[in-house]
Amino acid sequence: DVKVTQSSRYLVKRTGEKVFLECVQDMDHENMFWYRQDPGLGLRLIYFSYDVKMKEKGDIPEGYSVSREKKERFSLILESASTNQTSMYLCASSLRPGRAGELFFGEGSRLTVL
Amino acid sequence: GNSVTQMEGPVTLSEEAFLTINCTYTATGYPSLFWYVQYPGEGLQLLLKATKADDKGSNKGFEATYRKETTSFHLEKGSVQVSDSAVYFCALSQGGSTLGRLYFGRGTQLTVWP
Repeated sequence: DVKVTQSSRYLVKRTGEKVFLECVQDMDHENMFWYRQDPGLGLRLIYFSYDVKMKEKGDIPEGYSVSREKKERFSLILESASTNQTSMYLCASSLRPGRAGELFFGEGSRLTVL
Repeated sequence: GNSVTQMEGPVTLSEEAFLTINCTYTATGYPSLFWYVQYPGEGLQLLLKATKADDKGSNKGFEATYRKETTSFHLEKGSVQVSDSAVYFCALSQGGSTLGRLYFGRGTQLTVWP
């Protein structure tokens, strides 16, 4: 079975802390994505990566950075967490080339910033 | 640009009722269209898809037809069950893209009562 694993289901951090959200996939997928999910706003793309050490900004990259040192791992970094970054974060992966749009999602990491 | 508009929820139905969740899109080229479902406490998973005009995607009793003339991809099910309670997301993938990026609607919460 395909698997996307996010390291933490729930995190509570303080304003100004540096936060790492880790995502690992075991499907040898080229593409990996970080989305943010907020009620009434749906899913918004933060960053994505189509290869090791490659990254592209999504729609809301401000306040975030990413790292992809290995194909299977894609990390989302909040350099200085703020309360407006309280949200559910979803990692996903997909093949490239392949069946366009067939994303496989992790279970999500719910971050609360106090 | 690319965007997806889906009907706002929440939608509340009795078991065995007929379900329609409307979805319309704006895209350049020839996108692929998707419905994803998110059950409580889980990540998103692909429900069905259609990759060209007039295609019908189907899965678990759900159906959606890719209508290019009305730029729509409405989700239907003839008889819903309590276990269908979830959030449903319509999404599109830009035609020709190999990066697999998806554009999501805001989601529609469905609650089915016994």
